Amino acid sequence: ETGVTQTPRHLVMGMTNKKSLKCEQHLGHNAMYWYKQSAKKPLELMFVYNFKEQTENNSVPSRFSPECPNSSHLFLHLHTLQPEDSALYLCASSPRFRGRWTEAFFGQGTRLTVV
Amino acid sequence: EDQVTQSPEALRLQEGESSSLNCSYTVSGLRGLFWYRQDPGKGPEFLFTLYSAGEEKEKERLKATLTKKESFLHITAPKPEDSATYLCAVQAVTQGGSEKLVFGKGTKLTVNP
Repeated sequence: ETGVTQTPRHLVMGMTNKKSLKCEQHLGHNAMYWYKQSAKKPLELMFVYNFKEQTENNSVPSRFSPECPNSSHLFLHLHTLQPEDSALYLCASSPRFRGRWTEAFFGQGTRLTVV
Repeated sequence: EDQVTQSPEALRLQEGESSSLNCSYTVSGLRGLFWYRQDPGKGPEFLFTLYSAGEEKEKERLKATLTKKESFLHITAPKPEDSATYLCAVQAVTQGGSEKLVFGKGTKLTVNP
């Protein structure tokens, strides 16, 4: 248990559906991230939040919409996805100390399948 | 462009057969290099952070080292439970000024009994 919890663990959705992924951390970290992991590809950064403020959108299509209501919770809202969006979506959090970014702690991920 | 290359892509070892995994990187101003272990269907699990050339970290059968251009993860006398994908990442700065991890594709290690 890393202290970062993601729900659901598995999700199958149609291309016209709307769903949300949830991430929760109780580590007191102030930075949270969404990563996408596809087969045969490195982890791709999607979004970064520092102190609840989105500081990075890594050219992610608008069908992915993040939300960070507080420093412990992060959501990824999904709508009108494509089959190529099927992947493992990982949430991570990290502390920040005087500009040095220490290790990120990852959740177990949500395995998303778009049919 | 910040880049991380890991080799080999896959490695099969017999139990007790020591070996090393390589992570070469290009990044403008290394702020940290991280090693993670990932089991199938799970999120990456943090192993080590290295910040400067010459630094070494050890944990059980694993030892990570860092030079100015690459890092090695040495596995001594591995056991089947060490089978996993090992990910290397470097800390980089995004165009927006945020900090992020840039990951390699990983090395899938299989240790046979």
